[in-house]
Amino acid sequence: DAGVTQSPTHLIKTRGQQVTLRCSPKSGHDTVSWYQQALGQGPQFIFQYYEEEERQRGNFPDRFSGHQFPNYSSELNVNALLLGDSALYLCASSYRGAQQYFGPGTRLTVT
Amino acid sequence: DQQVKQNSPSLSVQEGRISILNCDYTNSMFDYFLWYKKYPAEGPTFLISISSIKDKNEDGRFTVFLNKSAKHLSLHIVPSQPGDSAVYFCAASAYLSYGGSQGNLIFGKGTKLSVKP
Repeated sequence: DAGVTQSPTHLIKTRGQQVTLRCSPKSGHDTVSWYQQALGQGPQFIFQYYEEEERQRGNFPDRFSGHQFPNYSSELNVNALLLGDSALYLCASSYRGAQQYFGPGTRLTVT
Repeated sequence: DQQVKQNSPSLSVQEGRISILNCDYTNSMFDYFLWYKKYPAEGPTFLISISSIKDKNEDGRFTVFLNKSAKHLSLHIVPSQPGDSAVYFCAASAYLSYGGSQGNLIFGKGTKLSVKP
């Protein structure tokens, strides 16, 4: 049984560009949450998707947007990238939000 | 304002001894608490959790204690092994009304545990 998978593993972008990160949840899970982990910090909640709708959102600007597909997979989009967006982006899946399982993350570097 | 605090950035313990990792929270709406372990270049791995209706949960070498009045929880690892060396994150969430599910996780900054042979 595959766990949570994320792609790509690493990504380098330039300031002002746009990026899309992808996540496939663990089998049987219907909820996907995205987190940003800066160096030396704990993961910070970006938003959560359930039934293809954004159900909760953390304190992140509108440049961060997402989508959930009918097969429960999800995308995170970041527009107008800033240097401060450089971080590890983690996807977590769960069944109805309980006990979240994390993927390995996508390391985004903005230059 | 940090709602979940792990005040010890690092902890060093001898193999075979007890490791105690601490976590404090400020939001009284939190009703579910979790510990995650993270190795470099990997995502956090779920370790153990506890609901606010309990004060202790045990799973093998790992025990989590919850003191609601003090808004404090701790993770005990007995006996500690070199493979336990990792960063440990404490996380908390609150039950939401929609779909009867847990909300987003609020994480502490983590404690780096080193277990020396």
